[in-house]
Amino acid sequence: GENVEQHPSTLSVQEGDSAVIKCTYSDSASNYFPWYKQELGKRPQLIIDIRSNVGEKKDQRIAVTLNKTAKHFSLHITETQPEDSAVYFCAAISEYGNKLVFGAGTILRVKS
Amino acid sequence: SAVISQKPSRDICQRGTSLTIQCQVDSQVTMMFWYRQQPGQSLTLIATANQGSEATYESGFVIDKFPISRPNLTFSTLTVSNMSPEDSSIYLCSVGFQGALNEQFFGPGTRLTVL
Repeated sequence: GENVEQHPSTLSVQEGDSAVIKCTYSDSASNYFPWYKQELGKRPQLIIDIRSNVGEKKDQRIAVTLNKTAKHFSLHITETQPEDSAVYFCAAISEYGNKLVFGAGTILRVKS
Repeated sequence: SAVISQKPSRDICQRGTSLTIQCQVDSQVTMMFWYRQQPGQSLTLIATANQGSEATYESGFVIDKFPISRPNLTFSTLTVSNMSPEDSSIYLCSVGFQGALNEQFFGPGTRLTVL
């Protein structure tokens, strides 16, 4: 089945700097890659996603890139703000098309 | 967007007892899932709740321990049976909508502590 690895486990950046979180997946048939943000005590929230027919997607300060050949995808946050501090999870759809497999998560701290 | 609610939001239970968690959506959904999130950990899929039939469980999870019901397209329950302290976790339901192409949205979660 699908396996998703996520790095780094923690990331500290200064306010205004960029943050990059990387994930790799194992199943070449995976075709949907969402990113979730989870603030302390809250539910995971879908912030951006990308499908295998697209190489990059942007939404204001966040962007996701996908390299199907290398089987990795990344989340990029520019001009980070303190409210970006949270745990970020990447995920991939497994071969059965509906079951999300999550990475281990990245704790992002934005220092002001 | 749909509103997803869970009851209870949190509970403290004694070892050996069972707790049923409810997930309610304010519109019909195609898919409903149950996840477990242990303290400081990622999300692990327990099972897919199938409307009108038995749930599909992931490796390591069994129906006797985590019975699931889904009587209609807006409601599902997860029961954590014969609880032990190792079952202390956050339990979350997620839903997917017809035509939403794999997107899943999470309920607020139920924080369970087993003493």
